[in-house]
Amino acid sequence: EAGVVQSPRYKIIEKKQPVAFWCNPISGHNTLYWYLQNLGQGPELLIRYENEEAVDDSQLPKDRFSAERLKGVDSTLKIQPAELGDSAVYLCASSPEGDVYEQYFGPGTRLTVT
Amino acid sequence: GQNIDQPTEMTATEGAIVQINCTYQTSGFNGLFWYQQHAGEAPTFLSYNVLDGLEEKGRFSSFLSRSKGYSYLLLKELQMKDSASYLCAVIGSWGKLQFGAGTQVVVTP
Repeated sequence: EAGVVQSPRYKIIEKKQPVAFWCNPISGHNTLYWYLQNLGQGPELLIRYENEEAVDDSQLPKDRFSAERLKGVDSTLKIQPAELGDSAVYLCASSPEGDVYEQYFGPGTRLTVT
Repeated sequence: GQNIDQPTEMTATEGAIVQINCTYQTSGFNGLFWYQQHAGEAPTFLSYNVLDGLEEKGRFSSFLSRSKGYSYLLLKELQMKDSASYLCAVIGSWGKLQFGAGTQVVVTP
């Protein structure tokens, strides 16, 4: 069974530029999460989807971050414009419906903003 | 507020035992997880405790005391490949998973 797929794995952009990350969850997993992980820290939840509905986006900085999961499968996280402080690893995770307790993580996208 | 504390780094010798402690104060409690994360890789699930007591899974064991807000992960017969960051995470209210900063375990020959 394929795991959570994320692309790109690495991205370097200049500040004020836009950037987008893509995630394809494990087949059949209805719940999808986006996390941000700074160096030496644990992941922090940005947004959680149940199918195509964002059920928890309280930690998403909505002035510059947006996310979508239009068909309830893959998802895109966008930052526009990027700031230096956005440099981090962006992790996507998924879990089966009704089981939010075991989350399967993708390899992440390492973003560097210069 | 929510607070999850674990040591920053621990060093142990190959073949030894290491115990990583985690204390937490969260609004609501629906379980505690331990994840392993090698550098540059995704966190991978190790264990889940929701009731008090010890859960053993091979070389890894996890303990939970809900009344004390305390858990530990025990790694036995350490191997070089166990060098990684170990993340303690709590499911609080509304199913939100809250992570600690992680404990970097360094295994030396």
